[in-house]
Amino acid sequence: SAVISQKPSRDICQRGTSLTIQCQVDSQVTMMFWYRQQPGQSLTLIATANQGSEATYESGFVIDKFPISRPNLTFSTLTVSNMSPEDSSIYLCSASLDTDTQYFGPGTRLTVL
Amino acid sequence: TQLLEQSPQFLSIQEGENLTVYCNSSSVFSSLQWYRQEPGEGPVLLVTVVTGGEVKKLKRLTFQFGDARKDSSLHITAAQPGDTGLYLCAGRDAYNNNDMRFGAGTRLTVKP
Repeated sequence: SAVISQKPSRDICQRGTSLTIQCQVDSQVTMMFWYRQQPGQSLTLIATANQGSEATYESGFVIDKFPISRPNLTFSTLTVSNMSPEDSSIYLCSASLDTDTQYFGPGTRLTVL
Repeated sequence: TQLLEQSPQFLSIQEGENLTVYCNSSSVFSSLQWYRQEPGEGPVLLVTVVTGGEVKKLKRLTFQFGDARKDSSLHITAAQPGDTGLYLCAGRDAYNNNDMRFGAGTRLTVKP
């Protein structure tokens, strides 16, 4: 299994600012992902964080709004840029050890005022 | 449109009752996972099923993968308040780059 930690666990931010969320995995993993989850809702994939290359974004998500870094096999960051209240959500980091198993971090609860 | 349809969306039962949650799709999945998520936490993987017709048991939880690998069910026997949470199914789409897709979830409340 993999243990995933995220920082910060929660934050309250002002409109127009940016927040960078960090994700650390306790072992080297092939795939890392970022999801968004509205309260009480299911998960929406934002992007796949690729090590050594640009992230792969899902439809509706763009690099200018959600820049992602993945400098190595255990760490990734997601930045939520120029935030608006609509960006208030839970952001989840996930890592995959193999094609069938995916683990999640505890999430970052973001509130934009 | 949700690729994976979960039912019911909400379920509230008394402690000791049995329940079944369903996850259905028109797509074929190379594998399917069930997760449980509690408030303020990330989803926790319960089980992965990969073979059509496969049945896996985890204490009071029984998971089944449909023969055609398009559907799955989760059955809980003698539910306990600790089973309360959001249950999510997620499948790897066999014909779409093995992308992981999540259902909308079933929110289960078990009352003592």
